Amino acid sequence: GQNIDQPTEMTATEGAIVQINCTYQTSGFNGLFWYQQHAGEAPTFLSYNVLDGLEEKGRFSSFLSRSKGYSYLLLKELQMKDSASYLCAVMDSNYQLIWGAGTKLIIKP
Amino acid sequence: IAGITQAPTSQILAAGRRMTLRCTQDMRHNAMYWYRQDLGLGLRLIHYSNTAGTTGKGEVPDGYSVSRANTDDFPLTLASAVPSQTSVYFCASSETTNTGELFFGEGSRLTVL
Repeated sequence: GQNIDQPTEMTATEGAIVQINCTYQTSGFNGLFWYQQHAGEAPTFLSYNVLDGLEEKGRFSSFLSRSKGYSYLLLKELQMKDSASYLCAVMDSNYQLIWGAGTKLIIKP
Repeated sequence: IAGITQAPTSQILAAGRRMTLRCTQDMRHNAMYWYRQDLGLGLRLIHYSNTAGTTGKGEVPDGYSVSRANTDDFPLTLASAVPSQTSVYFCASSETTNTGELFFGEGSRLTVL
């Protein structure tokens, strides 16, 4: 079966750095996506990786290793507004998105 | 403002009743999707549409139906609601089916009693 694993919850301190990991087993691979979802709101697109390596976008970076079936989302200079759930999703060989259950990130002052 | 609009935002429904969740987008996206989101589970695809006039079944289609008469609208119907359909429903769209960058509506919280 297809599976996406990510930690259920993480806690970090304002101003610090946090890394949210995602491992996947899917039928084929056509890209990995990270979404942010604030409580009670819709998910919003953060990043896309299809080749191995690091993609940087401001305070957020996303890394992919296809051989290891592994990705992480790195958030730097954490702000209180970064408190949200972060969803990892993989597009399989049929171009269907397979979603992880999400990681709830709690930022403490 | 361009985007996706869902209605209603929230609804309490008696079991056995029929319910239609509405979804409209103004981005001229070809692909549209309906997901449900339940605590502790990832987003689960109910139905999708690659383009106007076509629909397909997702991971959890039973008890739900959709139609795509035009590009903009993609309503989801529960023919006879059951308590297990209590969930938050998100409509989403993307330029094409091969694009993983989805744009989501604000969600419809449905409670079936």
